[in-house]
Amino acid sequence: GDSVTQTEGLVTLTKGLPVMLNCTYQTTYSPFLFWYVQHLNEAPKLLLKSSTDNKRTEHQGFYATLHKSSSSFHLQKSSVQLSDSALYFCALSAMSNYNVLYFGSGTKLTVEP
Amino acid sequence: EAAVTQSPRNKVTVTGGNVTLSCRQTNSHNYMYWYRQDTGHGLRLIHYSYGAGNLQIGDVPDGYKATRTTQEDFFLLLELASPSQTSLYFCASSGGGAGAEQFFGPGTRLTVL
Repeated sequence: GDSVTQTEGLVTLTKGLPVMLNCTYQTTYSPFLFWYVQHLNEAPKLLLKSSTDNKRTEHQGFYATLHKSSSSFHLQKSSVQLSDSALYFCALSAMSNYNVLYFGSGTKLTVEP
Repeated sequence: EAAVTQSPRNKVTVTGGNVTLSCRQTNSHNYMYWYRQDTGHGLRLIHYSYGAGNLQIGDVPDGYKATRTTQEDFFLLLELASPSQTSLYFCASSGGGAGAEQFFGPGTRLTVL
Protein backbone atom coordinates (compact mmCIF):
# COMPACT_ATOMS: atom_id res chain seq x y z
CA GLY A 1 0.00 0.00 0.00
CA ASP A 2 0.87 3.67 -0.03
CA SER A 3 3.30 4.80 2.64
CA VAL A 4 5.84 7.44 3.62
CA THR A 5 9.11 6.96 5.48
CA GLN A 6 10.95 9.65 7.42
CA THR A 7 14.17 8.21 8.75
CA GLU A 8 15.15 10.91 11.25
CA GLY A 9 13.00 11.25 14.29
CA LEU A 10 15.04 14.06 15.78
CA VAL A 11 17.45 16.55 14.21
CA THR A 12 19.33 19.15 16.23
CA LEU A 13 21.29 21.90 14.49
CA THR A 14 22.96 25.19 15.23
CA LYS A 15 21.43 28.34 13.78
CA GLY A 16 22.75 29.22 10.34
CA LEU A 17 23.59 25.69 9.26
CA PRO A 18 21.90 23.89 6.36
CA VAL A 19 19.40 21.11 6.92
CA MET A 20 17.96 18.24 4.92
CA LEU A 21 15.06 16.18 6.21
CA ASN A 22 14.60 12.90 4.42
CA CYS A 23 11.36 11.65 2.93
CA THR A 24 10.82 8.61 0.76
CA TYR A 25 7.52 7.21 -0.35
CA GLN A 26 5.95 4.12 -1.79
CA THR A 27 3.05 4.02 -4.22
CA THR A 28 2.21 2.41 -7.50
CA TYR A 29 0.16 5.43 -8.57
CA SER A 30 1.01 8.94 -9.67
CA PRO A 31 2.04 10.75 -6.46
CA PHE A 32 1.49 14.16 -4.92
CA LEU A 33 3.94 14.97 -2.10
CA PHE A 34 3.53 17.48 0.71
CA TRP A 35 5.51 18.86 3.60
CA TYR A 36 3.54 20.03 6.63
CA VAL A 37 5.05 21.91 9.57
CA GLN A 38 3.72 21.87 13.11
CA HIS A 39 5.03 24.35 15.65
CA LEU A 40 4.69 23.62 19.34
CA ASN A 41 1.05 23.53 20.47
CA GLU A 42 -0.18 24.47 17.02
CA ALA A 43 -1.96 22.70 14.20
CA PRO A 44 -0.05 21.31 11.21
CA LYS A 45 0.15 23.70 8.26
CA LEU A 46 1.11 23.13 4.67
CA LEU A 47 4.66 24.20 3.89
CA LEU A 48 5.00 23.12 0.27
CA LYS A 49 3.82 20.52 -2.20
CA SER A 50 4.65 19.07 -5.59
CA SER A 51 3.66 16.50 -8.17
CA THR A 52 6.15 17.53 -10.86
CA ASP A 53 9.17 15.31 -11.33
CA ASN A 54 12.59 16.94 -10.96
CA LYS A 55 11.23 20.43 -10.35
CA ARG A 56 12.26 22.37 -7.25
CA THR A 57 9.43 23.93 -5.25
CA GLU A 58 10.11 26.59 -2.62
CA HIS A 59 8.30 28.34 0.20
CA GLN A 60 9.49 30.42 3.16
CA GLY A 61 13.12 29.57 2.47
CA PHE A 62 12.49 25.82 2.39
CA TYR A 63 12.72 23.84 -0.82
CA ALA A 64 12.18 20.30 -2.05
CA THR A 65 12.42 18.43 -5.33
CA LEU A 66 10.29 15.42 -6.18
CA HIS A 67 12.42 12.65 -7.66
CA LYS A 68 10.20 9.88 -8.93
CA SER A 69 13.20 7.76 -9.92
CA SER A 70 14.22 7.45 -6.27
CA SER A 71 10.76 8.01 -4.73
CA SER A 72 12.09 10.88 -2.66
CA PHE A 73 10.99 14.36 -1.62
CA HIS A 74 13.62 15.65 0.81
CA LEU A 75 13.09 19.02 2.52
CA GLN A 76 16.03 21.42 2.59
CA LYS A 77 16.96 24.85 3.83
CA SER A 78 20.30 26.55 3.39
CA SER A 79 20.39 28.34 6.74
CA VAL A 80 18.09 27.38 9.59
CA GLN A 81 16.72 29.88 12.07
CA LEU A 82 15.53 29.48 15.66
CA SER A 83 11.95 29.89 14.43
CA ASP A 84 12.34 26.80 12.24
CA SER A 85 12.22 24.58 15.33
CA ALA A 86 9.13 22.45 14.76
CA LEU A 87 7.82 19.04 13.79
CA TYR A 88 7.94 18.37 10.05
CA PHE A 89 5.73 15.81 8.34
CA CYS A 90 6.08 14.47 4.84
CA ALA A 91 2.79 13.29 3.32
CA LEU A 92 1.66 11.50 0.18
CA SER A 93 -1.52 11.40 -1.80
CA ALA A 94 -1.80 9.21 -4.86
CA MET A 95 -4.02 8.90 -7.87
CA SER A 96 -5.81 5.94 -6.33
CA ASN A 97 -7.44 8.43 -3.95
CA TYR A 98 -6.15 11.97 -3.98
CA ASN A 99 -8.36 12.87 -1.05
CA VAL A 100 -6.43 10.77 1.49
CA LEU A 101 -3.04 11.79 2.85
CA TYR A 102 -0.54 9.28 4.16
CA PHE A 103 1.78 10.92 6.69
CA GLY A 104 5.26 9.95 7.70
CA SER A 105 6.13 9.64 11.38
CA GLY A 106 7.58 13.13 11.47
CA THR A 107 10.97 14.73 12.15
CA LYS A 108 11.42 17.06 15.08
CA LEU A 109 13.85 19.83 14.16
CA THR A 110 15.45 21.73 17.01
CA VAL A 111 17.59 24.75 16.16
CA GLU A 112 19.99 25.93 18.85
CA PRO A 113 21.59 29.39 19.17
CA GLU B 1 -7.95 31.53 5.27
CA ALA B 2 -9.70 28.27 6.04
CA ALA B 3 -11.28 28.05 9.48
CA VAL B 4 -11.61 24.78 11.37
CA THR B 5 -12.61 24.75 15.01
CA GLN B 6 -12.71 21.89 17.50
CA SER B 7 -14.31 21.37 20.87
CA PRO B 8 -13.50 20.63 23.55
CA ARG B 9 -9.81 21.52 23.48
CA ASN B 10 -9.07 19.24 26.39
CA LYS B 11 -11.01 16.29 27.74
CA VAL B 12 -10.39 13.82 30.53
CA THR B 13 -12.55 10.73 30.88
CA VAL B 14 -12.37 7.32 32.49
CA THR B 15 -12.07 3.90 30.92
CA GLY B 16 -15.44 2.89 29.52
CA GLY B 17 -16.61 6.47 29.28
CA ASN B 18 -18.49 8.01 26.37
CA VAL B 19 -16.80 10.89 24.53
CA THR B 20 -17.82 13.06 21.59
CA LEU B 21 -15.34 15.33 19.85
CA SER B 22 -16.75 18.06 17.64
CA CYS B 23 -15.39 19.75 14.56
CA ARG B 24 -16.80 22.59 12.49
CA GLN B 25 -15.44 24.10 9.28
CA THR B 26 -16.65 27.27 7.62
CA ASN B 27 -14.84 26.85 4.30
CA SER B 28 -17.59 25.10 2.35
CA HIS B 29 -15.21 22.18 1.94
CA ASN B 30 -16.58 18.83 0.93
CA TYR B 31 -14.00 16.71 2.73
CA MET B 32 -13.48 16.44 6.48
CA TYR B 33 -11.08 14.21 8.36
CA TRP B 34 -10.31 12.94 11.85
CA TYR B 35 -6.70 12.11 12.75
CA ARG B 36 -4.94 11.07 15.88
CA GLN B 37 -1.38 12.15 16.57
CA ASP B 38 0.96 10.07 18.69
CA THR B 39 4.71 10.41 19.10
CA GLY B 40 6.52 8.17 16.65
CA HIS B 41 3.43 7.57 14.53
CA GLY B 42 2.75 10.91 12.97
CA LEU B 43 -0.83 11.62 11.96
CA ARG B 44 -3.03 8.61 11.44
CA LEU B 45 -6.39 8.81 9.70
CA ILE B 46 -9.34 7.51 11.70
CA HIS B 47 -12.35 8.41 9.52
CA TYR B 48 -13.20 10.88 6.80
CA SER B 49 -16.23 12.10 4.92
CA TYR B 50 -17.00 13.78 1.61
CA GLY B 51 -20.35 15.20 2.58
CA ALA B 52 -23.28 15.14 4.96
CA GLY B 53 -24.30 11.59 5.75
CA ASN B 54 -21.17 10.09 4.20
CA LEU B 55 -18.51 8.21 6.15
CA GLN B 56 -15.30 6.58 4.95
CA ILE B 57 -13.07 4.36 7.05
CA GLY B 58 -9.48 5.40 7.59
CA ASP B 59 -6.42 3.48 8.69
CA VAL B 60 -7.11 3.20 12.44
CA PRO B 61 -10.92 3.07 12.83
CA ASP B 62 -11.22 0.49 15.62
CA GLY B 63 -12.99 1.89 18.66
CA TYR B 64 -14.18 5.02 16.85
CA LYS B 65 -17.40 6.04 15.19
CA ALA B 66 -17.96 9.24 13.26
CA THR B 67 -20.90 11.13 11.91
CA ARG B 68 -21.15 14.02 9.44
CA THR B 69 -24.40 15.79 10.16
CA THR B 70 -23.98 18.78 7.84
CA GLN B 71 -21.35 20.03 5.44
CA GLU B 72 -19.89 22.02 8.33
CA ASP B 73 -20.01 19.53 11.22
CA PHE B 74 -18.12 16.28 11.76
CA PHE B 75 -18.15 14.38 15.05
CA LEU B 76 -15.92 11.66 16.43
CA LEU B 77 -17.47 9.28 18.96
CA LEU B 78 -15.70 7.05 21.43
CA GLU B 79 -18.41 4.94 23.02
CA LEU B 80 -16.24 2.85 25.33
CA ALA B 81 -13.08 4.83 25.78
CA SER B 82 -9.85 2.99 26.55
CA PRO B 83 -6.45 4.26 27.73
CA SER B 84 -5.01 3.39 24.29
CA GLN B 85 -7.18 6.18 22.89
CA THR B 86 -5.33 8.80 24.91
CA SER B 87 -4.02 11.03 22.16
CA LEU B 88 -4.11 14.39 20.41
CA TYR B 89 -6.97 14.48 17.90
CA PHE B 90 -7.03 16.75 14.88
CA CYS B 91 -9.85 17.52 12.53
CA ALA B 92 -9.14 18.79 9.03
CA SER B 93 -11.05 19.93 5.97
CA SER B 94 -10.23 20.02 2.28
CA GLY B 95 -11.80 20.96 -0.98
CA GLY B 96 -10.70 17.63 -2.41
CA GLY B 97 -8.88 16.69 -5.59
CA ALA B 98 -5.25 16.28 -6.56
CA GLY B 99 -2.95 18.42 -4.47
CA ALA B 100 -5.71 19.83 -2.29
CA GLU B 101 -4.45 21.31 0.95
CA GLN B 102 -5.89 20.03 4.19
CA PHE B 103 -6.60 22.72 6.80
CA PHE B 104 -6.31 21.55 10.38
CA GLY B 105 -8.15 22.57 13.51
CA PRO B 106 -6.34 23.39 16.77
CA GLY B 107 -6.65 19.86 18.16
CA THR B 108 -8.30 18.16 21.14
CA ARG B 109 -6.17 16.53 23.78
CA LEU B 110 -7.99 13.48 25.15
CA THR B 111 -6.87 11.61 28.24
CA VAL B 112 -8.51 8.32 29.18
CA LEU B 113 -7.71 7.30 32.74
